[in-house]
Amino acid sequence: DAKTTQPNSMESNEEEPVHLPCNHSTISGTDYIHWYRQLPSQGPEYVIHGLTSNVNNRMASLAIAEDRKSSTLILHRATLRDAAVYYCILRPHLNTGTASKLTFGTGTRLQVTL
Amino acid sequence: NAGVTQTPKFQVLKTGQSMTLQCAQDMNHEYMSWYRQDPGMGLRLIHYSVGAGITDQGEVPNGYNVSRSTTEDFPLRLLSAAPSQTSVYFCASSYRPYTEAFFGQGTRLTVV
Repeated sequence: DAKTTQPNSMESNEEEPVHLPCNHSTISGTDYIHWYRQLPSQGPEYVIHGLTSNVNNRMASLAIAEDRKSSTLILHRATLRDAAVYYCILRPHLNTGTASKLTFGTGTRLQVTL
Repeated sequence: NAGVTQTPKFQVLKTGQSMTLQCAQDMNHEYMSWYRQDPGMGLRLIHYSVGAGITDQGEVPNGYNVSRSTTEDFPLRLLSAAPSQTSVYFCASSYRPYTEAFFGQGTRLTVV
C-alpha cells in the first residue's frame, strides 16, 4: 500500500484557517486521496476526498499538488469542534474487496485554541 | 437513519471468556469492516466483508472470527479473550469499496 506522511501535531487559533499537509510520494494512478478525522472518543468521520483537482465541500477544501505527491486539507475557519486527529489515506478506486480497506497512519492531532 | 450501530459500548471480560461484538447498519451497504485502535495508534483492520456470506482477513485477524449472514449485520467474535485484545473496536460500512466509509461509535473492551 502506498504510504502517507503527516506531521504529528499542529496548533491553530480559533477562527483562523488551518492547512494540514500530507505527503504521498508513492501514490499510484488509481489512488484517491481521502481525509478522515476522529474527534475524541468517537469513530472516524469522513471529511473529503479527491483525485487530481481541488475539491470543496461544506467541511473543508482539499488542495492536490499537480504531481499528486502531496496534498493539503484546508479548514477555512477552525473552531474548537475541529480539534481532532486528521488522517490522510490513499484508497484505490477499484471495485474490489481489498480496496475497501482503510490504512490509517497515526495522523495529525490538531489543537485549536481560543 | 441510525447509520452504523455498535453494541455494547463498554465491556469488561476475564481472560479466556468469549463474547460477540455486534455491528449493524441500515444503509444497505455491501462492504463492512472491523478495526481495532490501541492507545496512540491509528486503526488496524481485523476482518472485512464484501457482502453476505463473504469475509476475508485484514491486518490483525488472530483471535477473532466473523461471519456475515445478512447485509445488515457483521458480528465480531472473540473466541478466548486475552489482555492483548484490550482495545477500542470500530465497525465501518460503505456502499462501494472506494466510497465514504461510515463508522460506529466504538466498543471499548477491557480484558483482565
